[in-house]
Amino acid sequence: LAKTTQPISMDSYEGQEVNITCSHNNIATNDYITWYQQFPSQGPRFIIQGYKTKVTNEVASLFIPADRKSSTLSLPRVSLSDTAVYYCLVSGINAGNNRKLIWGLGTSLAVNP
Amino acid sequence: DTGVSQDPRHKITKRGQNVTFRCDPISEHNRLYWYRQTLGQGPEFLTYFQNEAQLEKSRLLSDRFSAERPKGSFSTLEIQRTEQGDSAMYLCASSLEGRGEQYFGPGTRLTVT
Repeated sequence: LAKTTQPISMDSYEGQEVNITCSHNNIATNDYITWYQQFPSQGPRFIIQGYKTKVTNEVASLFIPADRKSSTLSLPRVSLSDTAVYYCLVSGINAGNNRKLIWGLGTSLAVNP
Repeated sequence: DTGVSQDPRHKITKRGQNVTFRCDPISEHNRLYWYRQTLGQGPEFLTYFQNEAQLEKSRLLSDRFSAERPKGSFSTLEIQRTEQGDSAMYLCASSLEGRGEQYFGPGTRLTVT
């Protein structure tokens, strides 16, 4: 059964770089990896998406090794406002031609002053 | 465009009552998703639409749940004969066809007493 696995929680300090790794051993060839951020009582917010190698945008970088069995979300110089839950999502189309959406359980990141 | 909106934000109902939630997606998005999220868990996929067609329903979506998206714009999710186990955050998201990036609404928090 395909699943994504990520650490339950992480602690960091303001100004540090934070790396959150998600394991997705059964990722399929056409699946994409997406990361979301969620604050309490809000819906998840898109951070970054990638297929392979490295993707960078204005808020984060996503590193995906050649075997694609894991991915690492990198948040540079975190601030207190980055305290949130971060979800890894593997998405694609399954064998029955249905949408596949495999969410991790989330990593609760606490940024301390 | 103000993003995905959901109404109501909170709903308290007694067991056995019917409830209906509404989602207004981003106007040019043709895909619309419904999820359920309980405390400490990632979003659980319920169903999704492409335009007005409901393309997939999760096994989590019992016969008491029904969703519609008339005219391919807003969507409604109805839960009949609510049970205490239905208490959760119900999230709606929309996306452009072919793009994995989903934009989430703020959610409707349902409490069944």
